[in-house]
Amino acid sequence: AQTVTQSQPEMSVQEAETVTLSCTYDTSESDYYLFWYKQPPSRQMILVIRQEAYKQQNATENRFSVNFQKAAKSFSLKISDSQLGDAAMYFCAYRAYNTDKLIFGTGTRLQVFP
Amino acid sequence: EAQVTQNPRYLITVTGKKLTVTCSQNMNHEYMSWYRQDPGLGLRQIYYSMNVEVTDKGDVPEGYKVSRKEKRNFPLILESPSPNQTSLYFCASTPRGAVDGYTFGSGTRLTVV
Repeated sequence: AQTVTQSQPEMSVQEAETVTLSCTYDTSESDYYLFWYKQPPSRQMILVIRQEAYKQQNATENRFSVNFQKAAKSFSLKISDSQLGDAAMYFCAYRAYNTDKLIFGTGTRLQVFP
Repeated sequence: EAQVTQNPRYLITVTGKKLTVTCSQNMNHEYMSWYRQDPGLGLRQIYYSMNVEVTDKGDVPEGYKVSRKEKRNFPLILESPSPNQTSLYFCASTPRGAVDGYTFGSGTRLTVV
């Protein structure tokens, strides 16, 4: 069975600094997708970034980028120039290519200090 | 506006009193799913549906029921709620096979006393 592990229950960062959130996963599939979702206090689930496993190039969305290491089954999220609005719970998620089911990690709560 | 609508947003109930959490989507998505979110456990899938009249168990189905009589609606039923079902519940939908087509509802905070 596929699993997603987030080993950092909480992280903190100073405004304008950079922070990296860790995620590892376990799968025997070769084709899959990985996601980072942001959940602010409003409880809304917001897609931050997506990575296709067949792509070697790391995905980037403005201040958000990932470090995807397929062999190591690692998928970390880097937030550059952190802003107060980045404070939220962040979930790493996995989806096998031939299914619609999202499998989530346990989440990392990010605090941003001024 | 394309959205998944969940109701109610907050609910406090007593042990054993049947309740239904409604979920409706207006995007004609085939796939719908219910998750529960608990501290330290993340989101776990309760039930899912790949289309009308097609439903199946997720990872934590005990104590829950669902139905999919219409494509847009996917209610979650707790026939005899217990305190261990106190949680934050999310409904979500996506077109089949869409890479990042997931849309989530705004969540239902359920407390069973």
